[in-house]
Parts: sequence; C-alpha cells; structure tokens
Amino acid sequence: DQQVKQNSPSLSVQEGRISILNCDYTNSMFDYFLWYKKYPAEGPTFLISISSIKDKNEDGRFTVFLNKSAKHLSLHIVPSQPGDSAVYFCAASAYGGYQKVTFGTGTKLQVIP
Amino acid sequence: EAGVAQSPRYKIIEKRQSVAFWCNPISGHATLYWYQQILGQGPKLLIQFQNNGVVDDSQLPKDRFSAERLKGVDSTLKIQPAKLEDSAVYLCASSPGLAGENEQFFGPGTRLTVL
Repeated sequence: DQQVKQNSPSLSVQEGRISILNCDYTNSMFDYFLWYKKYPAEGPTFLISISSIKDKNEDGRFTVFLNKSAKHLSLHIVPSQPGDSAVYFCAASAYGGYQKVTFGTGTKLQVIP
Repeated sequence: EAGVAQSPRYKIIEKRQSVAFWCNPISGHATLYWYQQILGQGPKLLIQFQNNGVVDDSQLPKDRFSAERLKGVDSTLKIQPAKLEDSAVYLCASSPGLAGENEQFFGPGTRLTVL
C-alpha cells in the first residue's frame, strides 16, 4: 500500500524555468511533510518541510504547497539550476512523537543548461 | 558537525552468507533509523530506535534481519542469511528525536549486492 505517491518518475526542465514536483498521499493522519533531495552515491538530504497547519512554506528558491483537501503537495523550484538535478523524495509523517516517516518513490529532476 | 557515518560503503556477498553494517549517528541524536532502498523505490523504514529502545520494527524481516543500538549510540544491522532480494542500499539516519523535529540526517549508505 503506497501511502505516498510520486507519479512522475522523471522531469526535465530548462535552466531558469520553474520545476514543479508533485506528491499525493492517502493517509489522512499525515500532518507533517518533507522533501528530500538525493544525489547519486549519497544519502538523501533534507530540503524543506511543511506542517499541516500551513498551506505554503518558502525557503529561497524552494516553495512547498500543501492542499489538504486534495491530499496533495508540490515542490516548486524557481529558477531551476543545473545543480538541482537530483532525485527528489516526498515524505510524510503522522505526529505522535515517534516521527515515523513514509517516503514516496522519488522523481528524478534533470535541469538542462 | 560531523555527519552520519556508515561502513562499509559497498559489500558484495553470495546468497546465504551473512553481512553486517555499522552506523554512527550524529552526536546527541536520540533517534536512529535503518532504511532499505531498493533501486527505483523510496527508502523503506526497517527499524527505528529511540535511544537504545526499539520504537518501530514492523517492516523488519525478523527471520533474517537483526539490529541493535549499543548504549544508545552506534548501531549495527545484520542480515543472516542473505537472499538475492536483499540487494539494495541500506541507509542509516538520525534525528534529534524531539517532537515536531522530523528532519532526518542520512549517511551515505551501504550498497549491498547479493549474488
């Protein structure tokens, strides 16, 4: 049962344009969402997060939007840079103090110079 | 601040052999996680420790996988005996363990190939 879904395995974007990565979830208990970025041969690194009490969180070029009614979140990268080329994982957790996190399958972003 | 350390980085074994992975989390982090990432999939939680106690091991194949966290710091994950389907990257992560602070810090992973 895939509770966190990233339906686009890959995405190509021109440098300077906007990258939009999408994520859907099915578990209504999820209330904290994270995006991780992963380069080859490295572990994932935290990028940005959002709590369910918000619908938007911004950090520099990265913005995450949360639509709770649709159980959907998206990551916007503006402007996209070649160094952003990586696999992006959406992740979700349910508050309970134990922080169990469920990851999606990832979207491979390629930013073309 | 030193990151999460894992060793070895790569391991090739034959099926039915045993293998062990080691993880040293970030100093002071109470929570430690082991994930299995099969090619083309997202990381799947195998086991989560809070200090030296197990919080969640519901997805750990306990007939062949075992893990321990010595004195609430370092951790080892063992597979005995290995199967072909265990070929994956094994990621260790740690977090401060405070409520609401869900960011996890990952190590570089151990790539296991079972032949």
